[in-house]
Amino acid sequence: EDKVVQSPLSLVVHEGDTVTLNCSYEVTNFRSLLWYKQEKKAPTFLFMLTSSGIEKKSGRLSSILDKKELSSILNITATQTGDSAIYLCAVVYNDMRFGAGTRLTVKP
Amino acid sequence: NAGVTQTPKFRILKIGQSMTLQCTQDMNHNYMYWYRQDPGMGLKLIYYSVGAGITDKGEVPNGYNVSRSTTEDFPLRLELAAPSQTSVYFCASSYTSTPGQGREQYFGPGTRLTVT
Repeated sequence: EDKVVQSPLSLVVHEGDTVTLNCSYEVTNFRSLLWYKQEKKAPTFLFMLTSSGIEKKSGRLSSILDKKELSSILNITATQTGDSAIYLCAVVYNDMRFGAGTRLTVKP
Repeated sequence: NAGVTQTPKFRILKIGQSMTLQCTQDMNHNYMYWYRQDPGMGLKLIYYSVGAGITDKGEVPNGYNVSRSTTEDFPLRLELAAPSQTSVYFCASSYTSTPGQGREQYFGPGTRLTVT
């Protein structure tokens, strides 16, 4: 059965910490992996990854895909309270499936 | 552009009632999607459409129906509402000419539905 698993499910850190969120998948005909940030309402797009080993970067956020390990990580450095959100990973294959998300809480 | 709009924002239904969740996008996207998100869970695909007149089932289609008569609109119909359908519903759209390739989706603000 196709699945997308994110870990940890929740994480509490203090401002300035660096966090690493994980997304692993088991799907057939993998196409791409997407990261979203969801605050109070709809998810907003962060990154799309299709090639292994190429880091995508946007400010303090970065992400990389490892097709051998069937996984991706999302890194956030120097975290701020505004980074508090649920981070969702989605995998596109013959279909599209989201993981359950990681709830990140950044305390002042 | 308004992007993806959804109505209503909130709704309370009684068991057995029916309703339609509206979704409209003004970006001329071919693909549109309906998801539900239960508390503490990720998004689950209910139905999707690759263009006007074409719809297909997603992961959790039971209890729902959709139609796509225009590119812009993709309403989701709930018949005989059940408490298990209490959830937040998100509509999304994307533009791609190649099915299955990675694509950025634009999400609506969501509809919070409670069935009691």
